[in-house]
Parts: sequence; structure tokens; C-alpha cells
Amino acid sequence: AQKVTQAQTEISVVEKEDVTLDCVYETRDTTYYLFWYKQPPSGELVFLIRRNSFDEQNEISGRYSWNFQKSTSSFNFTITASQVVDSAVYFCALSEAEGGKLIFGQGTELSVKP
Amino acid sequence: DTAVSQTPKYLVTQMGNDKSIKCEQNLGHDTMYWYKQDSKKFLKIMFSYNNKELIINETVPNRFSPKSPDKAHLNLHINSLELGDSAVYFCASHRQGSGTGYQETQYFGPGTRLLVL
Repeated sequence: AQKVTQAQTEISVVEKEDVTLDCVYETRDTTYYLFWYKQPPSGELVFLIRRNSFDEQNEISGRYSWNFQKSTSSFNFTITASQVVDSAVYFCALSEAEGGKLIFGQGTELSVKP
Repeated sequence: DTAVSQTPKYLVTQMGNDKSIKCEQNLGHDTMYWYKQDSKKFLKIMFSYNNKELIINETVPNRFSPKSPDKAHLNLHINSLELGDSAVYFCASHRQGSGTGYQETQYFGPGTRLLVL
């Protein structure tokens, strides 16, 4: 069965701190996709990144970076020098190749205080 | 231009009523979804349509009936609304892609906040 676990329900940091959001997934498929979405207080779901199972390269986009480790079934997300605008709920999600439905983790609510 | 749009944005109604939520995407995608986000923020798939055909129905009560008049639209009709239906409903779409097992990113609409009193 497919499952995504975000063990951190809430994280609170002070501005400029680095923070890592953990994501662990389970799947029997050899081809799958991993995603991170951001849900700010306004409520929309904003796409951040997509990774396929064959590409274990880490990715950096500005202050955001992602670490994909198939050996530990993890796809962690790090925000460097956090800012108040980073405050949001962050969701990790998994999709099998066929069908395409997203299976979401429980979400991690990040609060960045000034 | 809005890629995935939903109407209405807010919906407050009484128990027992019937209501519809509309979704439209202008991205040329062939697959559309409905997800439900409950009060604890948990997001779960409800339905998926590919080229107007239902491909996923995740044991949703039959009071919920999706309808896809064309590839760009996926509407959700809910009969006999119950208190537990209060949630945020998100529409999403993506292109399944050519070749077996390939898919592109799903993009979400802004959500419809349904409150059943």
C-alpha cells in the first residue's frame, strides 16, 4: 500500500533559521513521483517540486532545497534562512505512475516568527 | 489567466440541500480530479476523470456525483448534504503524458469552502 508520513505536525522557528521538513513514503511501485506543495494561510495549494523515482539528484531553488534518498524512502525539504512569508502548511505527496492520484502526507505546519 | 478555476469559492448551506461545485481548466489537460480537505487539513482523493471517463472513485458515498461534460470541466454535485460534508474541495488537473507511466505535475484550483449547517 502507498503511504506518506510527515512526522512533524508543527514546526516553529525564528526568522533566518534553517528548517527541514521530513517526508517518508512507502510504495511497491518502481516508478513513482514525489511532490511538495505549499498551502499558505490564504488556502490555495501551490506546487513546489516534482521528482520521479529515477532521478535521485538533489535540487536547489533559491532558499529551497530537496533531498531525495531512495535508500531511506525519504524526500526531505529544507528552507534556508526562513522568512515570515514561508509560514504555511507544507504537504509531501506520492503518485504512482498509472492513474496519477496524489497520496498526501498529513502536512507540516511551519510558523516562522519575526 | 487562471489555470484551474472553481466556483463558488464559498458555499454555506443547510443540511439536506443539494449543491454543485464547478471546475474548469484551461491548460489543455486530459485528467481532472476532486480532492477533499477535512478540518484537520488532511487531503484525500475523491474522483478522477480522464478524457471525460471516470477512472478513480475512492469509495465516496453515492450522494457525490461527478460530471465531466468535456475535458476542460469536472463538476461535483452533492445530494442531501450532511454536516460531515463540510470541508474544502479542491479540483486539480494534469496531463497524463505520452508513454506508459509518465505523468506531469498536478495543478490545483483555489478550493471551494463548503459549510453545511
